[in-house]
Amino acid sequence: AQTVTQSQPEMSVQEAETVTLSCTYDTSESDYYLFWYKQPPSRQMILVIRQEAYKQQNATENRFSVNFQKAAKSFSLKISDSQLGDAAMYFCATSDSNYQLIWGAGTKLIIKP
Amino acid sequence: EAGVTQSPTHLIKTRGQQATLRCSPISGHTSVYWYQQALGLGLQFLLWYDEGEERNRGNFPPRFSGRQFPNYSSELNVNALELEDSALYLCASSLGWQETQYFGPGTRLLVL
Repeated sequence: AQTVTQSQPEMSVQEAETVTLSCTYDTSESDYYLFWYKQPPSRQMILVIRQEAYKQQNATENRFSVNFQKAAKSFSLKISDSQLGDAAMYFCATSDSNYQLIWGAGTKLIIKP
Repeated sequence: EAGVTQSPTHLIKTRGQQATLRCSPISGHTSVYWYQQALGLGLQFLLWYDEGEERNRGNFPPRFSGRQFPNYSSELNVNALELEDSALYLCASSLGWQETQYFGPGTRLLVL
């Protein structure tokens, strides 16, 4: 069975600094996708970034980038120049063969002003 | 373009009752997914509908059921409510089965 592990229940970072959230996964799929979603206190789940496993290039979206290590089954999220609006729960997820998303338990990110 | 919408925002029921939750996908999206998010926990996959058919279901009892209408909107029904059904229920939609899922704001169900 596929699993996603986020080992950091909570992380904090000073505003304007950089923070990295960890995610490891286990899958037997050869073709899959990886995602980072954020869920602010208002609870709307928002897609942050998506990575296709067959692509070696790490995905980037503005201040958000990933470090995808396929052999190590690692998919970390780096947030540069952290802003107060980045405070949220961050969930890592991977897709199975039915495109059902398998989710990690989440990391709560706190931004210190 | 309107995002995924869900109704109601909040729902309070008593144990043994039935709850009906509704979801309207983004225009053009044919796939709808339902997730349960218990307080402080991650998301648990409930159901996936595509083109009106149930394509997959998670590890939930049969009292969790749903359907997808011809306009691709969807309904989640929970029968014989139990206290542990209290959770945030999230709906997501996608263009197709391999496309990114976009989420609605959720329905908070409280079972007393």
